[in-house]
Amino acid sequence: KQEVTQIPAALSVPEGENLVLNCSFTDSAIYNLQWFRQDPGKGLTSLLLIQSSQREQTSGRLNASLDKSSGRSTLYIAASQPGDSATYLCAVSSSGNTGKLIFGQGTTLQVKP
Amino acid sequence: DTEVTQTPKHLVMGMTNKKSLKCEQHMGHRAMYWYKQKAKKPPELMFVYSYEKLSINESVPSRFSPECPNSSLLNLHLHALQPEDSALYLCASSQDRQPWGANVLTFGAGSRLTVL
Repeated sequence: KQEVTQIPAALSVPEGENLVLNCSFTDSAIYNLQWFRQDPGKGLTSLLLIQSSQREQTSGRLNASLDKSSGRSTLYIAASQPGDSATYLCAVSSSGNTGKLIFGQGTTLQVKP
Repeated sequence: DTEVTQTPKHLVMGMTNKKSLKCEQHMGHRAMYWYKQKAKKPPELMFVYSYEKLSINESVPSRFSPECPNSSLLNLHLHALQPEDSALYLCASSQDRQPWGANVLTFGAGSRLTVL
């Protein structure tokens, strides 16, 4: 059974700092891994999608890496801003005949001005 | 159009009420999903529809009744809910290529449900 873990659960950093969020998964047989952002009480905004054959994806100040063999992904946020404050969720799509995403518990990020 | 639209954004209902949540997409996606998210928890899958047919029901209580009247619309009918059903209900859609796991989901903004 696939399990996804995110560390840390919460993170508070001063503005301008570079930071790394971690995601690990137990079954390396995944199709893709996605990082989402969720603001309080809101829906999910997809940030980056990494297909299983890829090693990393970049979008602006965000860079996500994937190491399937070790079951790990990281989300790197450069030059953090107060507007980056949100909960970040990683989700994996595993092998199997479903469209089910398995989510981690999320990392709640606070960037202080 | 690359959006999944959910209505209403907020819904308050009593335990004896009947209400519905609505989800719409015009991306030509043939798979649609309902996820439930309790406060401070990750989303959990409830139902999956493929080509307007229910393909997955994650053992959801019958007080939740999904309906997919056409390829663009997905409803979730609610009846005799309990206060513990209060949550954010997220709709998503995707293509339905094989293998299923390779499809990328696009999520809506969610409907916040409060059951009194």
